[in-house]
Order: sequence, then C-alpha cells, then structure tokens
Amino acid sequence: DGGITQSPKYLFRKEGQNVTLSCEQNLNHDAMYWYRQDPGQGLRLIYYSQIVNDFQKGDIAEGYSVSREKKESFPLTVTSAQKNPTAFYLCASSIGAGLRETQYFGPGTRLLVL
Amino acid sequence: KNQVEQSPQSLIILEGKNCTLQCNYTVSPFSNLRWYKQDTGRGPVSLTIMTFSENTKSNGRYTATLDADTKQSSLHITASQLSDSASYICVVSPGGSSYKLIFGSGTRLLVRP
Repeated sequence: DGGITQSPKYLFRKEGQNVTLSCEQNLNHDAMYWYRQDPGQGLRLIYYSQIVNDFQKGDIAEGYSVSREKKESFPLTVTSAQKNPTAFYLCASSIGAGLRETQYFGPGTRLLVL
Repeated sequence: KNQVEQSPQSLIILEGKNCTLQCNYTVSPFSNLRWYKQDTGRGPVSLTIMTFSENTKSNGRYTATLDADTKQSSLHITASQLSDSASYICVVSPGGSSYKLIFGSGTRLLVRP
C-alpha cells in the first residue's frame, strides 16, 4: 500500500514544549514538504527538501525545524518558539518539481495547544 | 505579489446540479495550475493539472478550464453527488521548476440531498 503517512492524527502541546510530527513516504519521491493550514487561508510552506540531507526554509519557517536523514522520512519539530502552533499540518512529497509533477499529500496532523 | 484568489468562498447546491468554481491568479511567470479536492480533516487530492498551453482538462465529472491570457481558471462539476462536498483548492506553480506553489484559500462546497 503506497503513500504518505503522518502521525499522530492529533497532537497536544503544552506551553514551552517541543513536539515532533512524523511524515513517512514509500513512493520513492525525492522531494518532501511541510505545510501549515489555518481556517480560511491557503496552505503555507514551512520547509521543503529536494533531496536527502538538504532542506530549505519556506515562507513561515520561524519556530519550526526539520531533518532529512532518510529519503522516506521528513519529521517536523514545532519548537516552543512557535507562539501560535495550533493548526492542521500537512506533509507532501513529489518526484521533483517538473512542469507536470504533482505533490501528493498525507492525511495531516492536527496540533492543539493545551 | 503572487496571489491566487478563489470565488465563491462557499457554495451550497442540490444533489444532481452542476456548479462552477472560479480561480484568478496574478502569478508570473506561470508554469502550471492544479485543482485539488480536500475532504474535511484530510489531505488534498489532485484532480487536474494544466500547463500554460492547455485550456481544458477533464477528470470524470470534473472539468477544469484555463485562460492564460486573462489568468483565470474554472472548475466545473457536473451532476453533483453528496461525495463532492469538500473544499476545492486552486494551486499555481510560478514558472519553470518550482518547489514553492501558490495556494488559493479554497471554495467550500456543500452538496445537499
């Protein structure tokens, strides 16, 4: 069963706590992405990785960190520096960024602050 | 500024009826435009993708059109079903190979029996 998995489905963060969201893909895609979705807004890019051991900041990287040690995995850490972390987080992957390439999305993780 | 605007924000139609969703963009240069369907609480799923040289693309009951001159796209849904209830997101890729897509805020469609 190929695709992208995200875990957990729901995550609760306490004040001052770092939390890590998991994203795994078995599509053999080189590129992976993290987006944040807030009500009434378009998806916003947090970080993306074109290849293993390399990643770039997106439009809203402050308060977040990532790693890309394996091709199939791209975990996102929401640090205590992110003051408004409540959102729906989506991970995506693609073969690359060619003219007709599509990003495939995971099921999402909803992060809530206690 | 690169932007994607969608209208209407929300729409309610009766099952079996047709509807058309609109997308205007100011992204330049332009590479391609995608429409995604997102069910509540789920990740978006790609419906269609069109490059600058294509002006229509169908996927079952979904037909997307693109006018690159006026920078407008539409998604037409024919004979709507209850399962069409979802958000529909227009996404534009700015020029060449780009990892950074521009997302619209979506149109929320509710199909009622």
